[in-house]
Amino acid sequence: SAVISQKPSRDICQRGTSLTIQCQVDSQVTMMFWYRQQPGQSLTLIATANQGSEATYESGFVIDKFPISRPNLTFSTLTVSNMSPEDSSIYLCSVEGGSGGDTQYFGPGTRLTVL
Amino acid sequence: GENVEQHPSTLSVQEGDSAVIKCTYSDSASNYFPWYKQELGKGPQLIIDIRSNVGEKKDQRIAVTLNKTAKHFSLHITETQPEDSAVYFCAVSNDYKLSFGAGTTVTVRA
Repeated sequence: SAVISQKPSRDICQRGTSLTIQCQVDSQVTMMFWYRQQPGQSLTLIATANQGSEATYESGFVIDKFPISRPNLTFSTLTVSNMSPEDSSIYLCSVEGGSGGDTQYFGPGTRLTVL
Repeated sequence: GENVEQHPSTLSVQEGDSAVIKCTYSDSASNYFPWYKQELGKGPQLIIDIRSNVGEKKDQRIAVTLNKTAKHFSLHITETQPEDSAVYFCAVSNDYKLSFGAGTTVTVRA
């Protein structure tokens, strides 16, 4: 499976500011995904990020709030904009398994607290 | 979107006993069913998965069964050990998008 790293691992931010989270994978992958995990909850897909195209957002998530970049096949960023305490969550990136199927492997997550 | 229900929400077992977690889903077109284990402070780890053309899959102490007709699948952990304590999530894939169950917190008592 792919080795995935995320930066930062955690952060405490003030409301109204923005944070950019980086996701790096050790091999080239076509599909990368961003999830949100609110405290004590399950995972919810924010968007799918494919290289060379605009990210595809799920219902309830918009580009102005969660802009995503995918400059190459090993890297992506998610920005959480104009943060409020309700944005306090774990943000996780995942990548496809490489076999062309549905398998996804997750990074360690970024733990965000907004004051 | 896909609706995935997972039960129970918490499960406490004696070390050495078995644990079973069940999930149901709504979309009959779903064709891939992974299970993830998430330890405190870590990202979810894929532990086993099954595809719609297979009824059962086993990997050492872990097994998954799938009933496509009834639209439910289960995770079975045998001979539980303290390191099996974690939150387990089932998921269902449809067109490469994963929908997750609410999670089961498993505690293995020594």
